[in-house]
Amino acid sequence: KNEVEQSPQNLTAQEGEFITINCSYSVGISALHWLQQHPGGGIVSLFMLSSGKKKHGRLIATINIQEKHSSLHITASHPRDSAVYICAVRSNNNDMRFGAGTRLTVKP
Amino acid sequence: EPEVTQTPSHQVTQMGQEVILRCVPISNHLYFYWYRQILGQKVEFLVSFYNNEISEKSEIFDDQFSVERPDGSNFTLKIRSTKLEDSAMYFCASTEGGWDQPQHFGDGTRLSIL
Repeated sequence: KNEVEQSPQNLTAQEGEFITINCSYSVGISALHWLQQHPGGGIVSLFMLSSGKKKHGRLIATINIQEKHSSLHITASHPRDSAVYICAVRSNNNDMRFGAGTRLTVKP
Repeated sequence: EPEVTQTPSHQVTQMGQEVILRCVPISNHLYFYWYRQILGQKVEFLVSFYNNEISEKSEIFDDQFSVERPDGSNFTLKIRSTKLEDSAMYFCASTEGGWDQPQHFGDGTRLSIL
C-alpha cells in the first residue's frame, strides 16, 4: 500500500468548474506539500502546510491532521490549470514521500 | 524571482559511465535536495544536504551516488557506473530554512542511459 494516496488519478473538467483533489497518508508527518508539475516536467511548490487551511489566488489547500487527509481545491478552473498535482509529505522518519499525482485537464 | 537552475537539461550517457548533474540553488538557501522521477512514475526523494554534509538519504541513494558542494554556488549529484534503470528526470530543490518550508525546484535534468 502506498503511504501517500491521491484521488482521483485523472480528472477532466470544464473551464469554470470547481476542482477538488484529495490526498490521504498513512505515516506521521510534520508537513504536507502540494506541488504542480507542468507538462514539460517542471515542478512548482503551491503550498506547504502542517495544519488548517491556506489560500493563494484561486487555490485553497486544507489539511486534517487527525484524519490524515488533505485536499487541494481550484475555484473557477482554467485550461492553464491543466497539470499534474502532486501531494508530498515530510514524514517523521525524516524523508519526503510522494503521491503518484493527479492529472488534471481543464477543457475550454 | 530567484530560480534554481540545473544543467544540462538533457544528458545522454553510455551504461557504465559516470555522470555529474549540476544545480545552482537560490543564493541565500541553505538546504539542498535531489529527487528523481522515472518516466511515468512518482517522484522519489534521494538525498538532502545541509552545512556541507548529507542530512538524510533514502534507500535509493546507495554507494553509486554522491553529492558535493564544490564551491559556494554549485550542488552536484554524481552517479557512478550508470545503469539503464538510472534513466530518469533528476530534480534539484532548495529551501532557505529546512524541510518545513516551500521547496524551490529546478527544471530538472533528463538522464538517458544507453
